[in-house]
Amino acid sequence: DGGITQSPKYLFRKEGQNVTLSCEQNLNHDAMYWYRQDPGQGLRLIYYSQIVNDFQKGDIAEGYSVSREKKESFPLTVTSAQKNPTAFYLCASGWDTANQPQHFGDGTRLSIL
Amino acid sequence: QQPVQSPQAVILREGEDAVINCSSSKALYSVHWYRQKHGEAPVFLMILLKGGEQKGHEKISASFNEKKQQSSLYLTASQLSYSGTYFCGTDKGNTPLVFGKGTRLSVIA
Repeated sequence: DGGITQSPKYLFRKEGQNVTLSCEQNLNHDAMYWYRQDPGQGLRLIYYSQIVNDFQKGDIAEGYSVSREKKESFPLTVTSAQKNPTAFYLCASGWDTANQPQHFGDGTRLSIL
Repeated sequence: QQPVQSPQAVILREGEDAVINCSSSKALYSVHWYRQKHGEAPVFLMILLKGGEQKGHEKISASFNEKKQQSSLYLTASQLSYSGTYFCGTDKGNTPLVFGKGTRLSVIA
């Protein structure tokens, strides 16, 4: 079955530690996205990529980094510079056209130890 | 610019109707609607493209008024399964979606 797989489902970060969230899709979508979700804030765009080896900052990119070395993979690293990383992180993919939906993974919940 | 959704929350009894609104200060090319259950992935409901169309999905339909830069989601004869948070995502054309803060809908028996 085609879809988006995020791992792990739960992740804990220690102070000063970088952590990487995995996102893999087998839908052959060109575009991939990372969103952060906090209670009452909706989904805020962190980074997006429309093509392999290229990505763009979203509205809240500070303290995060990404790579897009393969079409199916778009990992997100939460660096130690992100001082408030506790949130629900959602990865999505799509055809990057206005008339096509985005498909979301099941999310990773990141907490501070 | 994040679209504004209203109301922020609504409680319905089974069988009642509801309307969720999504407004933008920018000209829009399309509006996307999603529903999210707590702790789960958002699920796609429908897309409306500029042209003022109205679309339906079972007992859920939506309209898009591009002149007013507004979209409305209509839920008729609500069911318990309709509970969740509804998000609109707006697109200005060749730009990533910008999502509103969501409307929490609770349907009670």
